[in-house]
Amino acid sequence: RKEVEQDPGPFNVPEGATVAFNCTYSNSASQSFFWYRQDCRKEPKLLMSVYSSGNEDGRFTAQLNRASQYISLLIRDSKLSDSATYLCVEGGFKTIFGAGTRLFVKA
Amino acid sequence: SQTIHQWPATLVQPVGSPLSLECTVEGTSNPNLYWYRQAAGRGLQLLFYSVGIGQISSEVPQNLSASRPQDRQFILSSKKLLLSDSGFYLCAWSGQVRLTFGSGTRLTVV
Repeated sequence: RKEVEQDPGPFNVPEGATVAFNCTYSNSASQSFFWYRQDCRKEPKLLMSVYSSGNEDGRFTAQLNRASQYISLLIRDSKLSDSATYLCVEGGFKTIFGAGTRLFVKA
Repeated sequence: SQTIHQWPATLVQPVGSPLSLECTVEGTSNPNLYWYRQAAGRGLQLLFYSVGIGQISSEVPQNLSASRPQDRQFILSSKKLLLSDSGFYLCAWSGQVRLTFGSGTRLTVV
């Protein structure tokens, strides 16, 4: 039983586009969620936390919908450097990672 | 500030050989420590976690083991590697909730 599910993509978008990723989770009691970014052959790094009230950091916006049990990540004005795999994460003592969504931003 | 060190960065080992990967954390005490594995093109699989010295929990039955001989040291071991043990091994620590990863060890079993 997968506990965090993501569309693996890949998403191929032009520079400047807006792209959105969704992720669903199964544990309704989960309290914390995150988006991590993983570059090719590198370790995952925290991109941002996800709050019920929404969280915005520059071009990135993360939101949590508890009723439907999904979280989202919106990237505006995509840059070439945004190309990476984005991991949806259900936090907690045993942090659970989604398999990741691959994004390719092309010139 | 807290830092996490993991080594070696890459490793090529023959089938049947032993394995020892080490991870240390600096700048914090009593961290939760984790070992994850990521197979090529796949997600992260939690292998072991530890809440304190000598306390190890295993998530997946396999020929790997983990030990925590000191508060900020976490070791992943195997007595005999299998081809299927190839992958990207990541050590991580957490204080409250979110994880911070080491730079990983890319293991190829040949």
